[in-house]
Amino acid sequence: SQTIHQWPATLVQPVGSPLSLECTVEGTSNPNLYWYRQAAGRGLQLLFYSVGIGQISSEVPQNLSASRPQDRQFILSSKKLLLSDSGFYLCAWSLAGVRDNSPLHFGNGTRLTVT
Amino acid sequence: AQSVTQLDSHVSVSEGTPVLLRCNYSSSYSPSLFWYVQHPNKGLQLLLKYTSAATLVKGINGFEAEFKKSETSFHLTKPSAHMSDAAEYFCVVSDPNQAGTALIFGKGTTLSVSS
Repeated sequence: SQTIHQWPATLVQPVGSPLSLECTVEGTSNPNLYWYRQAAGRGLQLLFYSVGIGQISSEVPQNLSASRPQDRQFILSSKKLLLSDSGFYLCAWSLAGVRDNSPLHFGNGTRLTVT
Repeated sequence: AQSVTQLDSHVSVSEGTPVLLRCNYSSSYSPSLFWYVQHPNKGLQLLLKYTSAATLVKGINGFEAEFKKSETSFHLTKPSAHMSDAAEYFCVVSDPNQAGTALIFGKGTTLSVSS
């Protein structure tokens, strides 16, 4: 069966510090991978998605970047965090090639607080 | 473009009473629809999905949803609420024309269950 691991679970970082959140998927090959951010009362916002190694699409311009160095590894990064980067970050995967009825499978999220 | 509206931001019920979480969608074709649940500080878990088969869809934990094309609705119901059902619920519609992920999330409904 497929599993998704996301870490760390919680993180407190000062403004201006770097960020690296990691997500890995097991039990499937060539998944679509996603990073979402969830701010209080604002639903889910898609940040990045990837359909393959080295292929990253950004949905919104911001202070963050993403990379996919391996098939089942997805990393969210920032060089300098802003207060507005605080939120709950969720990694997810879906089956490749099935776009309109393939559900997303989520990790347990990372609670990021920028102080 | 597709869209999804969750009609209630917060629903409160007593344990043992029925649950109704309302969702309307707009779509120019037959969409795929999903309900997800999110417990505090956790990722989202798929409850059920509709993909143009039976209009009444049964999901996990006793939840079900009925697709009504004439009303463009996909309301989530459960006959008897449990304390463990207290969580946030997201209605999701697919849009194959959306870049990246085809899924569009509603803003969520918080379900509170009192004893």
